[in-house]
Amino acid sequence: EVQLVESGGGLVQPGGSLRLSCAASGFTFSSYDMNWVRQAPGKGLEWVSYISSTGYNAYDADSVRGRFTISRDNARNSLYLQMNSLRAEDTAIYYCARALPGSGWFDPWGQGTLVTVSS
Amino acid sequence: DIVMTQSPDSLAVSLGERATINCKSSQSVFYGSNNKDYLAWYQQKPGQPPKLLIFWASTRESGVPDRFGGSGSGTDFTLTISSLQAEDVAVYYCQQYYTTPGTFGQGTKVEIK
Repeated sequence: EVQLVESGGGLVQPGGSLRLSCAASGFTFSSYDMNWVRQAPGKGLEWVSYISSTGYNAYDADSVRGRFTISRDNARNSLYLQMNSLRAEDTAIYYCARALPGSGWFDPWGQGTLVTVSS
Repeated sequence: DIVMTQSPDSLAVSLGERATINCKSSQSVFYGSNNKDYLAWYQQKPGQPPKLLIFWASTRESGVPDRFGGSGSGTDFTLTISSLQAEDVAVYYCQQYYTTPGTFGQGTKVEIK
């Protein structure tokens, strides 16, 4: 069964840091691009970061560029999101989602991990 | 970035009736070299992550009931639920993946009338 499990969320003060992880199983992780997508409470979906299957290419949304860094460890079947200089507006559920190279749709999605930025 | 705009923001439909959701992109997401529209639809039920319903604008994901249909090309797309069931109550999102970032519409909430 294809599965993505996020972890690492929690409560953090403004200006703080968190590192999210996404553990993948049930498929050949190194063959897929990966993404982070977030959803603020009661709001819609916002793409955050993308990384190619090899890790050579990565892109970030303007809203997080320079503060968030996406990375992956194909040997550990894991995706990461290092989040620095967190702001209140970064409060959201963070989902990791798989994408087949050459496609671009996201399937499947993990269950998400909640990040709350508040003093 | 390509802006995706859905309409309506919400709709209430009687059980067994048709639900229609529209999605408009700020520029074409049709790629002529492969004759494909880079448009996907997702369903998100309360407390759950989004689930892929349709990709390439009209191709149903495996296991998705055939009452869900996608249509359109270029900049205008439609998701149709031909006969609404109680389990279809959800928020539906369109997404373009023609460019990175793959931007989403704001979502359309579907409820039972």
